Amino acid sequence: QVQLVQSGAEVKKPGSSVKVSCQASGDTFSKYAVNWLRQTPGQGPEWMGNIIPMYGTPNLAQKFQGRVMFTADESTSTVYMEMTNLKSEDTAVYYCARERTVGTGAIFLYWGQGTLVTVSS
Amino acid sequence: DIQMTQSPSTLSAAIGDRVTITCRASQSISNWLAWYQQKPGKAPKLLIYKASTLESGVPSRFSGSGSGTEFTLTISSLQPDDFATYYCQQYTNFFSVTFGGGTKVEI
Repeated sequence: QVQLVQSGAEVKKPGSSVKVSCQASGDTFSKYAVNWLRQTPGQGPEWMGNIIPMYGTPNLAQKFQGRVMFTADESTSTVYMEMTNLKSEDTAVYYCARERTVGTGAIFLYWGQGTLVTVSS
Repeated sequence: DIQMTQSPSTLSAAIGDRVTITCRASQSISNWLAWYQQKPGKAPKLLIYKASTLESGVPSRFSGSGSGTEFTLTISSLQPDDFATYYCQQYTNFFSVTFGGGTKVEI
């Protein structure tokens, strides 16, 4: 049974950074793409990008390039999302999600529980 | 970016009703479309992928159809557990993933 467990809620000041973790269990970790998405109330999820831990190279949506970084620690089966220069518009629930099977594309079968990031002065 | 437009945004229905939700893509996405169900405070749950393939464990009252730019999600007989918000998502490639704005199914 694949499980993704995310770190807890964060409250940050504008201009600061946040790092959210997503620890996987129950299946081989390294070969699957782990994606990050965020969602604000009343809106559909917004895809931010992904990383395949065994390759380590992040793939970021253009909107987030330069401000978001994904990293992976294969020893702990954990993927991290770090966002810098936070703005109030970044207040959202952030999810990690794993692809259904290797190579099937961005079909998100497994999801973390979500991490609320609040950016407020 | 490919835009996904869902209609209606809100749908009022009763137990046992047949419910249809439409999703339109701004350009052809072949059948690279998934549907998710989301309940308040929870992550989305995958229902259907490749436009019409039911994910394992999802009740057969859910079905999907369509290709190109127009898609539908149908619930054949609405059950109490189905009151939720539904999202379509296109996934033409790993550099292009977008969701619709959602359809809330309520009583």
